[in-house]
Amino acid sequence: AQSVTQLGSHVSVSEGALVLLRCNYSSSVPPYLFWYVQYPNQGLQLLLKYTSAATLVKGINGFEAEFKKSETSFHLTKPSAHMSDAAEYFCAVVWSGGSNYKLTFGKGTLLTVNP
Amino acid sequence: KAGVTQTPRYLIKTRGQQVTLSCSPISGHRSVSWYQQTPGQGLQFLFEYFSETQRNKGNFPGRFSGRQFSNSRSEMNVSTLELGDSALYLCASSLQSTNEQFFGPGTRLTVL
Repeated sequence: AQSVTQLGSHVSVSEGALVLLRCNYSSSVPPYLFWYVQYPNQGLQLLLKYTSAATLVKGINGFEAEFKKSETSFHLTKPSAHMSDAAEYFCAVVWSGGSNYKLTFGKGTLLTVNP
Repeated sequence: KAGVTQTPRYLIKTRGQQVTLSCSPISGHRSVSWYQQTPGQGLQFLFEYFSETQRNKGNFPGRFSGRQFSNSRSEMNVSTLELGDSALYLCASSLQSTNEQFFGPGTRLTVL
């Protein structure tokens, strides 16, 4: 079965430090890859998406992700963490079957930013 | 442009009851998807509707059903509620071609 794996259910960084959240998907190149962020008691907000136009994707709030086909990975990074980045982050993949698209999510990574 | 709205935001029901949740997509979006989010199972896909037709379905029992109206608004119904149905139910809308889904704030359902 197709799957998405996020390594590390909880990542803790200091303010100003590099943020690296890992995401791997099962084999065969999926059409689309996404990162979403969820703040407490809110829905999901799209950070960025990969649609095969470029392997390095820039998103909102200074986040970016790099698609690496050989590693089946789509890790999320941010050079300098801010307190407001504390949230849960989800990697998601769309595998299409004809016109049927459905998002498959990873389990999520809770990011804590320490002052 | 207004975002995806979901009503109600919070619900408390007892076992055996049924519940209906509502989702209004972004204007112009014809696809509406529903997801269940729980601490144990994470985010799981329930179903997707497009132009009033269920286009895709996840692995949930038949107690979970939905529908979409001609204005693209969607409802999700859960019958014979079980304790395990307690979750945050998220609705997302999208245009057909982009696959970028926009999420609502969710409905928090608690089953006692």
